[in-house]
Amino acid sequence: ETGVTQTPRHLVMGMTNKKSLKCEQHLGHNAMYWYKQSAKKPLELMFVYSLEERVENNSVPSRFSPECPNSSHLFLHLHTLQPEDSALYLCASSPFFDSNEKLFFGSGTQLSVL
Amino acid sequence: SQKIEQNSEALNIQEGKTATLTCNYTNYSPAYLQWYRQDPGRGPVFLLLIRENEKEKRKERLKVTFDTTLKQSLFHITASQPADSATYLCALGGSQGNLIFGKGTKLSVKP
Repeated sequence: ETGVTQTPRHLVMGMTNKKSLKCEQHLGHNAMYWYKQSAKKPLELMFVYSLEERVENNSVPSRFSPECPNSSHLFLHLHTLQPEDSALYLCASSPFFDSNEKLFFGSGTQLSVL
Repeated sequence: SQKIEQNSEALNIQEGKTATLTCNYTNYSPAYLQWYRQDPGRGPVFLLLIRENEKEKRKERLKVTFDTTLKQSLFHITASQPADSATYLCALGGSQGNLIFGKGTKLSVKP
């Protein structure tokens, strides 16, 4: 195990639902990330938190709302999603942001939007 | 804009042979390059990091080269095994810390 746990592993939701993805890291890292992985596309960085402050938001639609209550937990709140939002959502952590540290990924949440 | 290309979507080789995966980039001067392995339904797992001033890095059966003139990294797996079958991702990193990932190459090692 990588020390980064994501729940749920699978999620099916309608376009009008509200759901949340959860990520927890047990590594004592200061930076946490949300990535989106769609079929045949590279990983896309969505959000970065460093010491619980958001430091990066890569033009992500407002229907995705991140929350970082402490350095060990990261949430992604979802509402009124579109079918094209179906993808694997990956959480990652690293000791610090703005360095060449390797990323530790969770197993991801496979999201299907109907 | 920055672009990363991993030479092929899929690579099939015979067990025991050396697998060579390519990562090319344009419009970017990375400070370092990382390689990850991803199995189906799992997140990527870090394998190796090589910095811009390093030519080669090795770890067990893995070898990575980095040519900043050619803007290319090669990733080799020697004496490949069926258990090496997975998707391999390259990622470029700059001074600002963000990683830019390639689409990955799916390697299949046949017994």
